[in-house]
Amino acid sequence: EVQLVQSGGGLIQPGGSLRLSCAASGFTFSNHWMHWVRQAPGKGLVWVSRIESDGSSTDYADSVKGRFTISRDNAKNTLYLQMNSLRAEDTAVYYCARDPMSCGGDCYSDFWGQGTLVVVSS
Amino acid sequence: VIWMTQSPSLVSASTGDRVTISCRMSQDIKGFLAWYRQKPGKAPELLIYGAFTLQSGVPSRFSGSGSGTDFTLTISRLQSEDFATYSCQQYYTFPPTFGPGTKVEIK
Repeated sequence: EVQLVQSGGGLIQPGGSLRLSCAASGFTFSNHWMHWVRQAPGKGLVWVSRIESDGSSTDYADSVKGRFTISRDNAKNTLYLQMNSLRAEDTAVYYCARDPMSCGGDCYSDFWGQGTLVVVSS
Repeated sequence: VIWMTQSPSLVSASTGDRVTISCRMSQDIKGFLAWYRQKPGKAPELLIYGAFTLQSGVPSRFSGSGSGTDFTLTISRLQSEDFATYSCQQYYTFPPTFGPGTKVEIK
């Protein structure tokens, strides 16, 4: 069974840092591009970042570029999102999501983590 | 960036009803459209991709249609677990973008 189990959210002050994790199981993690998608309270889904299956290529939404870093450890089957210089507008539920193997990163997401809430507030 | 609208934003319906949700794009995306269901407090679940292909394990009461700029999700007979928010996503151009969502509530 495919599972994406997230951890690492919480309350953080503006300007602070937080690292989210997404532990994958039930599939060959190293074969898939992975994404982070966020959802502010009461709002729609917004794509944040993606990383190639071997970690060699990454992309970011303009709103987080230079502040967030996506990475992965294929030996540990884990995806990460390092979030620095956090702002109030980064408050959201963050989801990790898997890209189907056939898609090369430019696709829908067929499995999602359970989500983790990040609240940026003083 | 491709912008998307969904209509209606809210649907009030009863179990057994047929529900249709529309998603309109700001430009032609061919058939590169997915639909998700999101139950309250839960992660999105993929229902349909490629505008009309049902994801494995998704009940056949869900169907998708459309191409170009106008797409539709139809739920033929609403079940209790279908009271949720539905979002479309285009993946024709990068970055992928999502519609604002349509909430299906109990009448």
